[in-house]
Amino acid sequence: SQTIHQWPATLVQPVGSPLSLECTVEGTSNPNLYWYRQAAGRGLQLLFYSVGIGQISSEVPQNLSASRPQDRQFILSSKKLLLSDSGFYLCAFHRGLGNTIYFGEGSWLTVV
Amino acid sequence: AQTVTQSQPEMSVQEAETVTLSCTYDTSENNYYLFWYKQPPSRQMILVIRQEAYKQQNATENRFSVNFQKAAKSFSLKISDSQLGDTAMYFCAFMSSWGSQGNLIFGKGTKLSVKP
Repeated sequence: SQTIHQWPATLVQPVGSPLSLECTVEGTSNPNLYWYRQAAGRGLQLLFYSVGIGQISSEVPQNLSASRPQDRQFILSSKKLLLSDSGFYLCAFHRGLGNTIYFGEGSWLTVV
Repeated sequence: AQTVTQSQPEMSVQEAETVTLSCTYDTSENNYYLFWYKQPPSRQMILVIRQEAYKQQNATENRFSVNFQKAAKSFSLKISDSQLGDTAMYFCAFMSSWGSQGNLIFGKGTKLSVKP
C-alpha cells in the first residue's frame, strides 16, 4: 500500500536558525510531490511541487527551498528562519492523473 | 491560471440535518479532476470524495454527494444526516490534467461546525 511520512511532527526553532523537514513516500514510484503551508485557520498554500528527481517548481518566492534527492524523498529547507515561517506544513503526493492524493501527518513549526 | 473559490468561510448545521458547501473553480481545460478533503482538529487531511470532469454522473460516498455543474464550473458538497464527527475544515481541490501528471490547487476552505 502507498504511504507517506513526514517528520519531525513538531519543531520550535529560533529566528535565523536553519530548517529541514523531510517527507518519504512508500509503495509507489515517480510520484508528484508537494509541500504546502497552512497558517492558523487558513487554507493551504502551495510552496513547492516536484514531478521528478531534481525537478522543483516554486510557487511562492521566499526564504524556503525544496529538494528531491531521491525519487520518493522530498525535503523542505531554510538557511535562516523568519517569524513568518511559523505554521503547519504538509507534504503530499499522488501518482498519476486524478488518483488519490495522500497527505503526511503534518509538521508544526514555531519560530521564536 | 486555475483558481478554486470557496465562498463560505464558516458554516454550521444541526446534527442529523443536511448542509451544502459550495465550491467554484476557473479553468480553460476540458478534462480535470475535483476533490473534497476534510481536515478535522487532528489536522490529518482525509479524502471525502472525488469527481472526474468527463463523467456526468455525480459522485456519491455514503452520506456525502456532490453536485457537479461543469458548465457553471461549480462543485458543491452535500452532507446528509450530519454527525458531530463531520465537524472539520473542508477543502475543495482541483487537479489539472496539464503536463505529465497534473498539478493540484486548493480553495481556502470552509469551517463546518455540527451542533448537537
